Amino acid sequence: AQSVSQHNHHVILSEAASLELGCNYSYGGTVNLFWYVQYPGQHLQLLLKYFSGDPLVKGIKGFEAEFIKSKFSFNLRKPSVQWSDTAEYFCAAPRGATNKLIFGTGTLLAVQP
Amino acid sequence: DAGVTQSPTHLIKTRGQQVTLRCSPKSGHDTVSWYQQALGQGPQFIFQYYEEEERQRGNFPDRFSGHQFPNYSSELNVNALLLGDSALYLCASSLKTSGTTGELFFGEGSRLTVL
Repeated sequence: AQSVSQHNHHVILSEAASLELGCNYSYGGTVNLFWYVQYPGQHLQLLLKYFSGDPLVKGIKGFEAEFIKSKFSFNLRKPSVQWSDTAEYFCAAPRGATNKLIFGTGTLLAVQP
Repeated sequence: DAGVTQSPTHLIKTRGQQVTLRCSPKSGHDTVSWYQQALGQGPQFIFQYYEEEERQRGNFPDRFSGHQFPNYSSELNVNALLLGDSALYLCASSLKTSGTTGELFFGEGSRLTVL
């Protein structure tokens, strides 16, 4: 069955540390992938998305993600995190030719000042 | 430009009761999807409404039903509540024409607690 998995459930970093959050998907064919972020007390919002072209995708707030087809991965990266990046991060993909999203279980990132 | 708004923000019900949650989509959007987010889990798709009809459905029982109104707003109804229905219910709006690459815009959710 089509699925999205996130390996890191809880990550704690100090400010200025580099971040990489893992995401793997389980299906082939046309791939659209998303990272959503939920800041404390706020709604889920789109961080970045990949649907074709350059496998390195730039998002908001200095985030980027790299689509590696051979590894079925779409890891999220940021070279230097800030305290304000404390949030829960979700990787997601649409099921088939729909915009019904399948979400991973999320990674809770805590950045210590 | 108003984003997605949901009501109520929090509510408490007892087992066996029924609940109705409401959602107004982002201005200009015509499609509303509902997700259930249990504690420690990612959102799970419940169903999607477009042109006042349920278009897609996830793996949820018939106790979960919905409606979309001509102004694109939507309701989620859950009957015969179970303890396991306790969760954050998220509404997301989008444009039908944006297809699989389109962004979903989420509301802040309705937190349901079933006692």
